[in-house]
Amino acid sequence: EPEVTQTPSHQVTQMGQEVILRCVPISNHLYFYWYRQILGQKVEFLVSFYNNEISEKSEIFDDQFSVERPDGSNFTLKIRSTKLEDSAMYFCASGVDKTGLGETQYFGPGTRLLVL
Amino acid sequence: AQKVTQAQTEISVVEKEDVTLDCVYETRDTTYYLFWYKQPPSGELVFLIRRNSFDEQNEISGRYSWNFQKSTSSFNFTITASQVVDSAVYFCALGPGNQGGKLIFGQGTELSVKP
Repeated sequence: EPEVTQTPSHQVTQMGQEVILRCVPISNHLYFYWYRQILGQKVEFLVSFYNNEISEKSEIFDDQFSVERPDGSNFTLKIRSTKLEDSAMYFCASGVDKTGLGETQYFGPGTRLLVL
Repeated sequence: AQKVTQAQTEISVVEKEDVTLDCVYETRDTTYYLFWYKQPPSGELVFLIRRNSFDEQNEISGRYSWNFQKSTSSFNFTITASQVVDSAVYFCALGPGNQGGKLIFGQGTELSVKP
């Protein structure tokens, strides 16, 4: 069964450093998402991406964040200058297949980011 | 505003007990979707069920059942004869009727099933 994959599973970085989190969405899906979950808290939406552009973003998704689909399979989230409060689990998700059906979002296993 | 409330932060049961996880939502949309996801200790988010706002039929899948009541804006989840492997955090989420919209998650309910 197709699944969303994410790399790395864990990342430790120093405050102020740039990080890139990578995701491979399900191949026939059209919408891609990033969510984050601060430890012990709920899952929060960051951004959605469709047709090579951002379709919606939250207040959390400020100028420090960017997303890109550099090729036909990868979907990345870049944090330019990490802060301590960026420490969280970051989930990639994909949904809506090419028939236009499928409102379910399927999540990857997550990348646990720790900023020191 | 859209909102999902899971009032039960933690629930602890003994194996084989039945347990119900509550979910109440708020939305002004007439078309929307409701979801349950399971987050085991390993951390991933596992999709369990999707229900659209026009379908109030209850659903049963093995030991899992879901009760959607539009009149009370609730979408509760019952596990029958709970097992230790059911121990996880369970999230209820609300999605819009339009294609590709974001999910709004509740705070989650941590279920602990003891042997």
